[in-house]
Order: sequence, then structure tokens, then C-alpha cells
Amino acid sequence: SQQGEEDPQALSIQEGENATMNCSYKTSINNLQWYRQNSGRGLVHLILIRSNEREKHSGRLRVTLDTSKKSSSLLITASRAADTASYFCATDVGGYNKLIFGAGTRLAVHP
Amino acid sequence: GAGVSQTPSNKVTEKGKYVELRCDPISGHTALYWYRQSLGQGPEFLIYFQGTGAADDSGLPNDRFFAVRPEGSVSTLKIQRTERGDSAVYLCASSPLGLAGTRYTDTQYFGPGTRLTVL
Repeated sequence: SQQGEEDPQALSIQEGENATMNCSYKTSINNLQWYRQNSGRGLVHLILIRSNEREKHSGRLRVTLDTSKKSSSLLITASRAADTASYFCATDVGGYNKLIFGAGTRLAVHP
Repeated sequence: GAGVSQTPSNKVTEKGKYVELRCDPISGHTALYWYRQSLGQGPEFLIYFQGTGAADDSGLPNDRFFAVRPEGSVSTLKIQRTERGDSAVYLCASSPLGLAGTRYTDTQYFGPGTRLTVL
């Protein structure tokens, strides 16, 4: 079974717009991570936020974490066509990086 | 190598056959993970190695699945009597740390995956 659920399942935007994806999870976590996947193959780690952190930035990415609501959001600002991919949130519940992934959000950025 | 490599990239087999999938982690990474990803879904945890030992194999779906890492580097995922439902992309990841019993975590580096198709 999967711990996280991303919302929306699919998102289509124009270049330059911001993209926001949300993730909800069920159990207590040590950290939450966001990954990107192109063409159904290798995943690329984007950002990790620990359970005692509320917000984190990396370049055009901004991640928030609300442990009281068991939810996280990923914001991609000024999107580019190259951002087109599937985005997954993953939670580490065991403390040794055993990741439980959601089903992902498929983002399409149109030129 | 620079990253995690997996071979083969694609494997087509017939129902009932035996397959082996190989993962070469990043040199020096002690933790190694196998995941399985079905079409339209997120990766699903299968097994975690810390060094040579399987520290957590709770994700293996049944006893047809087995994985080894005899020297603490390369790992092989073995599937016996394959079924059509085993068709998926099998992903391997490695991490420099990931010790059970600690709260330290680190980034996982994923390989490109092996796409297994069981006819």
C-alpha cells in the first residue's frame, strides 16, 4: 500500500506559470522527499524536508511541510517546458530511508 | 561509475521463467534499496540492504522474489516462476548511509531501472 497521495493527479500549465503539487500522508514521518521522474524511468531527488522543518527552498523549488495536517506541497516557480515530468512525494517512516511513495502528479508545461 | 547502473535495461521473458536483475550501486554506498514501479504508480519498496545483509525485506511480495548482495556492493534481484503480474520497472537505489536504529537519513540515488515484461 502507498502512504502518500498526490494532488492533483495531472497538471497542465503554460511556461512561466507556477505549479503547485500537494501530498498527503498517513503516519508519522522522519522526513519527506520529493522526486522527479522523466519518461517512467530513473528518479531524481529534488529536495528533502525533515519533520521538524516547515519550509525549504532550492532554486525554483519551494517545499512546505505541515505535520499537523500530514501534508506537504511542492511549488515550482516560473515553470519551463523542461519541468515536464512526474513528481512524487516519498516519506521515510522507518528512520533508515525506506521510502513510501505516492502515486505522483504528472506535470505538463507547454511552451 | 558515476551513478547507479542497472542491467539489463529491458528484459522480456515468458511466464514461468526465472530472471535475474542486477544493480551496481555508487561505489562506497553501504545502503541499497530495490523498488518496483507499475505503470501509472509510484515506486513500491521491496527490500533494503545495509552492507551484505537484508535489513528489511518486508516489501517482497512472495517467496518467488529473492535478493542478494554477497559482497556489499552489487545486488541481484531474483524472480522465480515469473508471472504476468510481475511486469513492471524494477528500480534500484543506493545511499551512503541508512542505518537501522538511527534517525539519520540521506539522499537516495536511483538507477535507470530494468523494465521487465512477462509474456
